[in-house]
Amino acid sequence: AQKITQTQPGMFVQEKEAVTLDCTYDTSDPSYGLFWYKQPSSGEMIFLIYQGSYDQQNATEGRYSLNFQKARKSANLVISASQLGDSAMYFCAMREGGTGRRALTFGSGTRLQVQP
Amino acid sequence: EPEVTQTPSHQVTQMGQEVILRCVPISNHLYFYWYRQILGQKVEFLVSFYNNEISEKSEIFDDQFSVERPDGSNFTLKIRSTKLEDSAMYFCASRSSGRGDSYEQYFGPGTRLTVT
Repeated sequence: AQKITQTQPGMFVQEKEAVTLDCTYDTSDPSYGLFWYKQPSSGEMIFLIYQGSYDQQNATEGRYSLNFQKARKSANLVISASQLGDSAMYFCAMREGGTGRRALTFGSGTRLQVQP
Repeated sequence: EPEVTQTPSHQVTQMGQEVILRCVPISNHLYFYWYRQILGQKVEFLVSFYNNEISEKSEIFDDQFSVERPDGSNFTLKIRSTKLEDSAMYFCASRSSGRGDSYEQYFGPGTRLTVT
């Protein structure tokens, strides 16, 4: 079974609008972390936001927020006020275990295109 | 801001040749990782390294692969006899040991390996 599922291979959004990128995960570990990374066409992996399994509140970082629904095992990324520079691949990832040393498991990604 | 660096940015090699990919993690980080991303696919974990030994490895990381931390700053991935299917972007990542943080893994810019 896939540990991280991103069901949207591609998304379009108009500049200045908000967009939600879906991510569901599967783990039996009570302690885990969820991450979102952005990969522009240049190829680097840029960390965006993190949500811990025990965090009570949804994580926010500037225009990025994570809609964490633990019972549904979803961790959707919301980008508000989209900008042209947001066009990129977006990967959801999970780290299982509480020590933080475990590797990340990535989803297949969503390609976001922001249109003017 | 400290960052993970990787060299070279692009390496072309012939099938059967050995390659060494180099990474300089962030200086106070203790956990190191290699991931790879075949073109158009998701990022896959290869190996993690802590306290001068491998702490976790994936099925991809077979006997053709090895990692080393030859000195206090470099972290290398060696592929002994490259195959066509080793062509991919290889990412190095590192993270600190600090508790209470996001356990964020900081990724380097990647080395694109092309095996011909």
